Amino acid sequence: KNEVEQSPQNLTAQEGEFITINCSYSVGISALHWLQQHPGGGIVSLFMLSSGKKKHGRLIATINIQEKHSSLHITASHPRDSAVYICAVRNGGSGNTPLVFGKGTRLSVIA
Amino acid sequence: DVKVTQSSRYLVKRTGEKVFLECVQDMDHENMFWYRQDPGLGLRLIYFSYDVKMKEKGDIPEGYSVSREKKERFSLILESASTNQTSMYLCASSLNGYTFGSGTRLTVV
Repeated sequence: KNEVEQSPQNLTAQEGEFITINCSYSVGISALHWLQQHPGGGIVSLFMLSSGKKKHGRLIATINIQEKHSSLHITASHPRDSAVYICAVRNGGSGNTPLVFGKGTRLSVIA
Repeated sequence: DVKVTQSSRYLVKRTGEKVFLECVQDMDHENMFWYRQDPGLGLRLIYFSYDVKMKEKGDIPEGYSVSREKKERFSLILESASTNQTSMYLCASSLNGYTFGSGTRLTVV
């Protein structure tokens, strides 16, 4: 079974800072997901990656397949970015393969 | 947008009760999943289903069962609720990407 490790576990940043959250996994994957969970519980999918880099607004996700590593970057961070960010991987090639989750990184952005 | 709806946001049940958690998706996805989320443990897979009437055990199926009689609905059943099943329960559906419900915070007293 794939092991997914995230770092850091907790992160506090000042508004405007550039933020990086890291994710590493132990076994080759077909896709990696970055998810966001706000207080109250709902989870939103930010990115699904199998190679390279994706950008959406101030969020950038990269993946290095050889290194088995992905990063989520937030530029010009804002208090509304405060949430838990979760990395999850899928081993199989189809949507019926369950995700394996990291334990999440709790981000607090202070004004 | 795909919508995954969980019937309750908060639920309080007594020990020994039979509990039903309902999840409905509106995009004709074949794959549906039930996870529980606990502090320090992350999300753990309870059961999943890739077709009507099909089910597969996840990592922690003990004390739970599921039902998938229709494609859009995937129910999680706690046969006899216990205090260690107090948790946040999240449903998801998938084609290639995943869509999650808002979660049900269940407290068993």
